[in-house]
Parts: sequence; C-alpha cells; structure tokens
Amino acid sequence: DVKVTQSSRYLVKRTGEKVFLECVQDMDHENMFWYRQDPGLGLRLIYFSYDVKMKEKGDIPEGYSVSREKKERFSLILESASTNQTSMYLCASSSQVEGLFFGSGTQLSVL
Amino acid sequence: GNSVTQMEGPVTLSEEAFLTINCTYTATGYPSLFWYVQYPGEGLQLLLKATKADDKGSNKGFEATYRKETTSFHLEKGSVQVSDSAVYFCALSEGQASGSRLTFGEGTQLTVNP
Repeated sequence: DVKVTQSSRYLVKRTGEKVFLECVQDMDHENMFWYRQDPGLGLRLIYFSYDVKMKEKGDIPEGYSVSREKKERFSLILESASTNQTSMYLCASSSQVEGLFFGSGTQLSVL
Repeated sequence: GNSVTQMEGPVTLSEEAFLTINCTYTATGYPSLFWYVQYPGEGLQLLLKATKADDKGSNKGFEATYRKETTSFHLEKGSVQVSDSAVYFCALSEGQASGSRLTFGEGTQLTVNP
C-alpha cells in the first residue's frame, strides 16, 4: 500500500524557533511536494523537488527552506517560526504515472 | 498564471440529494484536471481525473466532465450519502503528467445530513 508519512500530527512551537517537518515516502517516487492548507485559501505550494538534492520554489516559499538528501525523505524547515506560519502542512509524493499521494498532514501552531 | 475557482461553501444537503460543486479554471496550454477529497483528520485522496477535453472522470458515483469551451470541471453525484461528508478540492496540473505540480481551488466543505 502506498504510504506518505509525516513525522508529527500536531506540533506546537514558539515564535523564533527553528522548526523541522519531516516527510517520508515508501514508493520510490521522484517528485515530492510541500503544501500548506488554510481555510478559504485551499492548498498553496511552498516548495517541491523532482530529484535528490534538487529543489524548486513554489508559490509561497518565503520563510521556508527544504532539504532532500535522500530520495524518500523531504524536509520542510521554518528558519524562524512566526505566528502567520500557523497552518496545516501537507506533504505529497508522485511519479509521472501514478499522480499525487498525500500524507495525513501536520497541524503546526506557532505561539 | 494558472488558477482554480470553486463555488463557495459550506454546502449542506440531505441524504439522497443531488450534488453539484462548481469548478472553473484558468490555464495556459492543456492541463489535466482533478478532484480530490479530504475526510476529517486525513490527507487528500484522488477522487477522479480527466486529462483532455470532453473526458469524463468518474469514481464512487461521482462524475466530472472536462469542458474546454467553458473552462469548467463541475463535480456531480446523483444521490449523496452521509459518508460523503468531506472537503472537496478541484485542481489542475502544470503539465500533462499526473505527477506534475498541482494548483488547487479553495475547497468546498460538504455536509450530508441523515
């Protein structure tokens, strides 16, 4: 069964902290994505990667960075968390044939 | 750039009612179109897709037809069930391949009452 696993379901952090959100897929997919989901705004793409050590900015990359050292793992980093980064974060992976598969999401609260 | 617009929610229906959720898009080229569903506490799951004009995607009683002339991909179901309560997202791909990055609409919350 296809699986995209996000390390935490709920996370609470303080303003200014460095935050790591981890995502692992077990499908040997080339492509991985990080979206954030906010009410009334749908899903917005933060960063994506089409290969190991490769990254591309999405529509809202400001305040975020990513790391893809291994094919199965794609990490989202908040360098200095702010309250406006409180959101649901969704990781996805895909191959060109199979389409996107999403993890269950991480609800991040920045206080 | 590409964009997707969905009808505003929330939508509340009684069981066995007819469902339509409107979706229109703006895109260059010929994108593929998708409907995703998100049940409470879960990630998004692909519900159906269409890759070219006049294609009809269908799954679990849901249908949507790719209408290039009206740039629309409206989701329909003839008789909804309580278990269909979820958030529905319309999306388009940047390219023809299903694995390309997606642009999503705002999402429409559907609640079906017994």
